Amino acid sequence: EAGVTQFPSHSVIEKGQTVTLRCDPISGHDNLYWYRRVMGKEIKFLLHFVKESKQDESGMPNNRFLAERTGGTYSTLKVQPAELEDSGVYFCASSPLQGVAAEAFFGQGTRLTVV
Amino acid sequence: ELKVEQNPLFLSMQEGKNYTIYCNYSTTSDRLYWYRQDPGKSLESLFVLLSNGAVKQEGRLMASLDTKARLSTLHITAAVHDLSATYFCAVDRSEKLVFGKGTKLTVNP
Repeated sequence: EAGVTQFPSHSVIEKGQTVTLRCDPISGHDNLYWYRRVMGKEIKFLLHFVKESKQDESGMPNNRFLAERTGGTYSTLKVQPAELEDSGVYFCASSPLQGVAAEAFFGQGTRLTVV
Repeated sequence: ELKVEQNPLFLSMQEGKNYTIYCNYSTTSDRLYWYRQDPGKSLESLFVLLSNGAVKQEGRLMASLDTKARLSTLHITAAVHDLSATYFCAVDRSEKLVFGKGTKLTVNP
């Protein structure tokens, strides 16, 4: 069974540009999470989808970040315009069960570098 | 606000030695998790600890949870090089995980 896959694995963009990260969860997983790790800091929650609905987006840093999950399958996270402080590793995770965050399976992450 | 603190953040140890990584958290939670991450790879779930006094072991790793002290430990026994990785603890809070900063473990021959 395929795990959680993320594209691209690395992205280097200039400040002010737009970047879109993609996450394909494990098939059948209703819950999809985005997390981010800025260098030297904790991995921090960004948002949580249940199917196509945003359950919790309290961790989204500002309105330059837009997450979508059309059709309740894959998700995209767009950063527009990117700033230097957006650099970090963006992880996606999915889980099959409501209310059990830790049964989540993580992708390998997308390393975003804004220069 | 829930805070999760791990220590040490960096750990260099020799093969064959024992050591413990500590994870403290600031508010009540019934679920604590340990993950391992190799460079460029995904976070791999190691242990899920669901109740006070829970102890789980897998190979040379053993994790325990004391919910009254809000403390979890990850004990490494007779370390081997293959255990070199970054280890994260995380606490479940309203269906999202709150992570510690991670402990980068290096096991030297």
